[in-house]
Amino acid sequence: GAVVSQHPSRVICKSGTSVKIECRSLDFQATTMFWYRQFPKKSLMLMATSNEGSKATYEQGVEKDKFLINHASLTLSTLTVTSAHPEDSSFYICSARHAARNEQFFGPGTRLTVL
Amino acid sequence: DQQVKQNSPSLSVQEGRISILNCDYTNSMFDYFLWYKKYPAEGPTFLISISSIKDKNEDGRFTVFLNKSAKHLSLHIVPSQPGDSAVYFCAASEASGTYKYIFGTGTRLKVLA
Repeated sequence: GAVVSQHPSRVICKSGTSVKIECRSLDFQATTMFWYRQFPKKSLMLMATSNEGSKATYEQGVEKDKFLINHASLTLSTLTVTSAHPEDSSFYICSARHAARNEQFFGPGTRLTVL
Repeated sequence: DQQVKQNSPSLSVQEGRISILNCDYTNSMFDYFLWYKKYPAEGPTFLISISSIKDKNEDGRFTVFLNKSAKHLSLHIVPSQPGDSAVYFCAASEASGTYKYIFGTGTRLKVLA
């Protein structure tokens, strides 16, 4: 158990459009999910903490109006990159906290390319 | 400000020998540390963790050592296998109730057959 999925696995979009990425915990409930971003050959940078039923908590330097996060249910969090620009191209990874096991489980990531 | 650092971007080890990956941190509030393995275009896979109340945790071929006074932890893999070749990230978390993980910069391990 403890599987986290992300959809889509990769997406290519035009500059100026918005892209939604879904993160689902498939076999457990996650009151807290996290969104990370990884640049090539760089660390995973925490963008925000997504809490079910409340507003996300963003890390310093991350624009909340640019990266909209919604955690509508105990198994789903979404990240919407609004008005995407080429510099938003990156690998986005989510994780879900399994409260009973006190562990985080990571999704497979989403490769976003903005043309 | 990089609170978790892995100063070696890459490491090559012969198959069968020991791989030692190092990680340093600056935040004394961190009390839980983890190691993850990551392949390109995939999410990280959990390897092993250690709480700050311990100085060593072992799981099969993987052992993590924690030196709180030096704010240093290391991951030992022995014996190393070609399948261990990947990027390894250490991560740290503090007992603040946020459950956030702060990741290091990663070390690319290559195990040579």
